[in-house]
Amino acid sequence: AQKITQTQPGMFVQEKEAVTLDCTYDTSDPSYGLFWYKQPSSGEMIFLIYQGSYDQQNATEGRYSLNFQKARKSANLVISASQLGDSAMYFCAMREGYFYNQGGKLIFGQGTELSVKP
Amino acid sequence: NAGVTQTPKFQVLKTGQSMTLQCAQDMNHNSMYWYRQDPGMGLRLIYYSASEGTTDKGEVPNGYNVSRLNKREFSLRLESAAPSQTSVYFCASSGDRWDTQYFGPGTRLTVL
Repeated sequence: AQKITQTQPGMFVQEKEAVTLDCTYDTSDPSYGLFWYKQPSSGEMIFLIYQGSYDQQNATEGRYSLNFQKARKSANLVISASQLGDSAMYFCAMREGYFYNQGGKLIFGQGTELSVKP
Repeated sequence: NAGVTQTPKFQVLKTGQSMTLQCAQDMNHNSMYWYRQDPGMGLRLIYYSASEGTTDKGEVPNGYNVSRLNKREFSLRLESAAPSQTSVYFCASSGDRWDTQYFGPGTRLTVL
């Protein structure tokens, strides 16, 4: 079974508008972490934001926020005030905790390609 | 601070050739990782090194070997390249296995 699911292969958003990229996950481990990475056309992987399973509040980093709904097992990325430079592939990833994952490996979703229109 | 560096950036090999991908980090991180990214997919873990002196298999280790040369450097070797190993290879590092992973720029490898 897929552990990380990103159901939106591609999305469009108008510049200066907000956009939500969906991510659902599956784990039996009570201790896990959720990450979002951005991959522009140049190819590098850029870390955006992190949410721990025990964190009480949703994570925020500048224009990025993570809408964490633990009961629904979702960790959606919200980008406010989109910019042209936000056009990229976005990956959701999960790291399970000690009992399932000795090495701290990340499990990635298939990504969502975001295009920002001027 | 260069972060995570990888060499080479591009490589073309013929089936059966061998090569080593180099990775170095200057962030004094303990843990290092090698991932591959195939078209239309997320990254998959090949091997990792939780700390200097240890290495372990990830999800897709077949056809690869690794060496944690020292705390800074973690290399990935293809002993006999196959077309199925055509991919983009990313090295990553983290403070320890539970910290955020930071990625290098990637190596685009084509095996003919």
